[in-house]
Amino acid sequence: EDQVTQSPEALRLQEGESSSLNCSYTVSGLRGLFWYRQDPGKGPEFLFTLYSAGEEKEKERLKATLTKKESFLHITAPKPEDSATYLCAVQAVGSGNTGKLIFGQGTTLQVKP
Amino acid sequence: GAGVSQSPRYKVAKRGQDVALRCDPISGHVSLFWYQQALGQGPEFLTYFQNEAQLDKSGLPSDRFFAERPEGSVSTLKIQRTQQEDSAVYLCASSGRISSGNTIYFGEGSWLTVV
Repeated sequence: EDQVTQSPEALRLQEGESSSLNCSYTVSGLRGLFWYRQDPGKGPEFLFTLYSAGEEKEKERLKATLTKKESFLHITAPKPEDSATYLCAVQAVGSGNTGKLIFGQGTTLQVKP
Repeated sequence: GAGVSQSPRYKVAKRGQDVALRCDPISGHVSLFWYQQALGQGPEFLTYFQNEAQLDKSGLPSDRFFAERPEGSVSTLKIQRTQQEDSAVYLCASSGRISSGNTIYFGEGSWLTVV
């Protein structure tokens, strides 16, 4: 069964304190791994898609990396506005042409000034 | 439009009432998804449309849930005889053709509370 597990469930950081969020996955065949940001009361906002092991993508203070079993979202020198829930999702080859995303439960990040 | 639009944003329904949730996808997007998100959890897949064809409805939790997209644009998710366990956020998402690796964009969600 395709599965996604994120850790930690919650993370508190001081402004400027860098850290990483983990996304472990088991999937029959990976078509893509997605990172989304979700603010309270809002829908998920797209951040990155990674397609193959070794791939990295960056956007401002965020960098996403991918191995064959997990992905990391590295946050460098975070600011309070980075506080949100970060969702990881996989799209499996076995999903055919539906593109169904399987999500983890999310990591809620709080950055204190 | 500029993004995926959902209405109503908030709905309170009495147990047993029928509800209809509407989704306006990004213009030109052929792929449309519905997801259900319980409090503190990640979204869970309900159903997928390519244009007007419903290609996957494996995530619909019961036969009380029904989705349609008759003209390949606007979609409606209908829940009949609502139960308390149906309380959740219902997210709509749209994309270009999935086989081309297009990004999937989400709406703000419809918050359903069944009392």
